[in-house]
Amino acid sequence: AQSVTQLGSHVSVSEGALVLLRCNYSSSVPPYLFWYVQYPNQGLQLLLKYTSAATLVKGINGFEAEFKKSETSFHLTKPSAHMSDAAEYFCAVSYTGGFKTIFGAGTRLFVKA
Amino acid sequence: NAGVTQTPKFRVLKTGQSMTLLCAQDMNHEYMYWYRQDPGMGLRLIHYSVGEGTTAKGEVPDGYNVSRLKKQNFLLGLESAAPSQTSVYFCASSYTTQGGDTQYFGPGTRLTVL
Repeated sequence: AQSVTQLGSHVSVSEGALVLLRCNYSSSVPPYLFWYVQYPNQGLQLLLKYTSAATLVKGINGFEAEFKKSETSFHLTKPSAHMSDAAEYFCAVSYTGGFKTIFGAGTRLFVKA
Repeated sequence: NAGVTQTPKFRVLKTGQSMTLLCAQDMNHEYMYWYRQDPGMGLRLIHYSVGEGTTAKGEVPDGYNVSRLKKQNFLLGLESAAPSQTSVYFCASSYTTQGGDTQYFGPGTRLTVL
């Protein structure tokens, strides 16, 4: 069965600092991996996704994530946090032939001035 | 191009009342989904549809019913609301479910059951 674990329900960084949000997945078949972002009072929107091409995936707003099969991880990073990055971030997994996307519990990112 | 829209945005119900949440998408997507979002639990799939006239149960279907009479609409019904159904409900759609397809989300409906 597929599952997603996000380490840390809350992460706080200072403006300009590195952002690192952790995601580990479990899948018995090759996964597709996603990061979605949810700004306050809005729906989720896609930040980036891994679909078995390059293992380093670049997304919107300067975010990127690296697929590491040996570590079953798909951590999200951004070199320099901005106040506008404050939001909740969800890691998700799906697979070929599956009708469902499995979402992690989410990590809320706080950015301090 | 409105994407995915949801009606209503907010609703307060009393225990035992019924209501229907409407989701509409204008992207000609085959697949549509209803999720609920609760603190610390991420998104949980309630029901989904793989095409007009078809529906299937997700992870937490009890207490909910759905219908997909038209391709662009996906309705979520609560027959007899319970306080445990207090949540934020999101509708989503996708073109396919072939693994890496992106889901597009509506803005959500915040439901409180007293």
